[in-house]
Amino acid sequence: DGGITQSPKYLFRKEGQNVTLSCEQNLNHDAMYWYRQDPGQGLRLIYYSQIVNDFQKGDIAEGYSVSREKKESFPLTVTSAQKNPTAFYLCASSLAGGDTQYFGPGTRLTVL
Amino acid sequence: GNSVTQMEGPVTLSEEAFLTINCTYTATGYPSLFWYVQYPGEGLQLLLKATKADDKGSNKGFEATYRKETTSFHLEKGSVQVSDSAVYFCALSESFAGNQFYFGTGTSLTVIP
Repeated sequence: DGGITQSPKYLFRKEGQNVTLSCEQNLNHDAMYWYRQDPGQGLRLIYYSQIVNDFQKGDIAEGYSVSREKKESFPLTVTSAQKNPTAFYLCASSLAGGDTQYFGPGTRLTVL
Repeated sequence: GNSVTQMEGPVTLSEEAFLTINCTYTATGYPSLFWYVQYPGEGLQLLLKATKADDKGSNKGFEATYRKETTSFHLEKGSVQVSDSAVYFCALSESFAGNQFYFGTGTSLTVIP
């Protein structure tokens, strides 16, 4: 089955700790994306990557970091510099030049 | 710039009622338009899309027509079911902008029996 997996589904961390969210896809997509969703709001783009070993900041990159060492994987680290990290995080992927994004099931991060 | 505006919710309908969720967009070029659906606690699923003016996207009884003259992509369904209760997002992507997506804020739909 082809798709995008995100783990874990729920994540709890203490304030001041870095945490890494996993995103893996086996769709052979070149481009991958991370979004943040807050209650009652739309999606905001954090980072995206069009190709391995390259990525760009989105609209709200401050306090986040990413890596793209493999085509299938695009982990997101929420650092202690992110002032309000509690949110629902969604990963997506698309073909290079493709106009459709496909989403994973999301990770809900709660910082205590 | 690019943006999407969609109807504020929440929307509550009785089963078998007609659904319309309005969506209008602003784009610098010729975008592709999408509707995504999000069920509680889940990611977004592509519901339908249209890539050029006058195209109609359809899936699972939902339809939306790409109207360039009114810059709109309204979502409709003739008879909603309880299982349609979800949040619906309108979005656009434009190759001019590197296929970056622009999402509306979402419209929550609750269908009651």
